[in-house]
Amino acid sequence: SQQGEEDPQALSIQEGENATMNCSYKTSINNLQWYRQNSGRGLVHLILIRSNEREKHSGRLRVTLDTSKKSSSLLITASRAADTASYFCATQGTSYGKLTFGQGTILTVHP
Amino acid sequence: EAGVVQSPRYKIIEKKQPVAFWCNPISGHNTLYWYRQNLGQGPELLIRYENEEAVDDSQLPKDRFSAERLKGVDSTLKIQPAELGDSAVYLCASSSELGATEAFFGQGTRLTVV
Repeated sequence: SQQGEEDPQALSIQEGENATMNCSYKTSINNLQWYRQNSGRGLVHLILIRSNEREKHSGRLRVTLDTSKKSSSLLITASRAADTASYFCATQGTSYGKLTFGQGTILTVHP
Repeated sequence: EAGVVQSPRYKIIEKKQPVAFWCNPISGHNTLYWYRQNLGQGPELLIRYENEEAVDDSQLPKDRFSAERLKGVDSTLKIQPAELGDSAVYLCASSSELGATEAFFGQGTRLTVV
């Protein structure tokens, strides 16, 4: 079963614009992770944010986490055509272990 | 360092036939996952191993699916007999320890059952 729901399901933007994707989940978590998937390289880990953190940055990525609302957002700044991919959030529960994925957001960045 | 290796990359079989997928995780990684990903969906966990022990197989359809991880290293996932609805991408992933760590994924095996 899927833990989270992602919004929007699809996003189309121009190169240079920012892209924001949202993820909501249902149960208590230890951490939330974001992954990217494109046809050439499979699923790749982008960033992990722990339940006691509110914001985290990595290069052009910014992730926020609101545990009271059980939601997270991923912001990609100054997008590039190479960012075109599907993006998934994944939660890891309080007992660790199982990594549960959302349905994903398909991002298309037009040159 | 080599990543997670899966084989085969693609498999086409007729329904009711058996099929097996193989996964070699990153060296030293104790945790191994098998996920199934249907078209347009996120990956869904089938089974998780800690070393050679299956610690979470609640979503594995045990009437037709089986998995093993001998010696706590590489793993195989088998379907027998395959059904049309088993068509999907089967992903293997590993992580270095139980806890808040990222998972490293293989390229997956795309199974088509005809």
